[in-house]
Amino acid sequence: DAKTTQPNSMESNEEEPVHLPCNHSTISGTDYIHWYRQLPSQGPEYVIHGLTSNVNNRMASLAIAEDRKSSTLILHRATLRDAAVYYCILRIQGAQKLVFGQGTRLTINP
Amino acid sequence: GAGVSQTPSNKVTEKGKYVELRCDPISGHTALYWYRQSLGQGPEFLIYFQGTGAADDSGLPNDRFFAVRPEGSVSTLKIQRTERGDSAVYLCASSLTSGPAGELFFGEGSRLTVL
Repeated sequence: DAKTTQPNSMESNEEEPVHLPCNHSTISGTDYIHWYRQLPSQGPEYVIHGLTSNVNNRMASLAIAEDRKSSTLILHRATLRDAAVYYCILRIQGAQKLVFGQGTRLTINP
Repeated sequence: GAGVSQTPSNKVTEKGKYVELRCDPISGHTALYWYRQSLGQGPEFLIYFQGTGAADDSGLPNDRFFAVRPEGSVSTLKIQRTERGDSAVYLCASSLTSGPAGELFFGEGSRLTVL
């Protein structure tokens, strides 16, 4: 399974932007980059995904490096509700399962 | 809204007993996944169904674990002769498409405790 590397934890303040990094140096040309998050006592929740171009949706933005070996999930204005574990996952062409790593535990300070 | 529903939400059983966990996916979703999550860890893949058939069961830890989806909708995860190490949250997810761009929708999980 293609591997991603994320910091174990990050901390930010409410109403400030948050940049969550992910390294995926072994990514291949057809692998999609997915981000999920998991709030306490809940199942994971889809956040965003992309292939090559930067992506925006109502929850977040995904910035993908030109060589695709890294990406950054951007929460533009963090709220206390954004405190969660964020998982960066490579979804391989032809493989149906998502393989979760340890993720980044994001703490938001009021 | 009709999301992925899992029952029971909590199950306490004794070592050696048989357990069934049920997943009711979002209507129309053909792909269904089971994961389990131990405390402090990310979800671990168990099995994936496309329709009625198990397309990938490579994550099932041993032959005590079995899952079915007889009509291509509801799925049941069955654990025989439970062990204390089986204690975890068992998560179910469904997806409209099984392609690499598809979004998985997860339920809230069934917490299994084996005493």
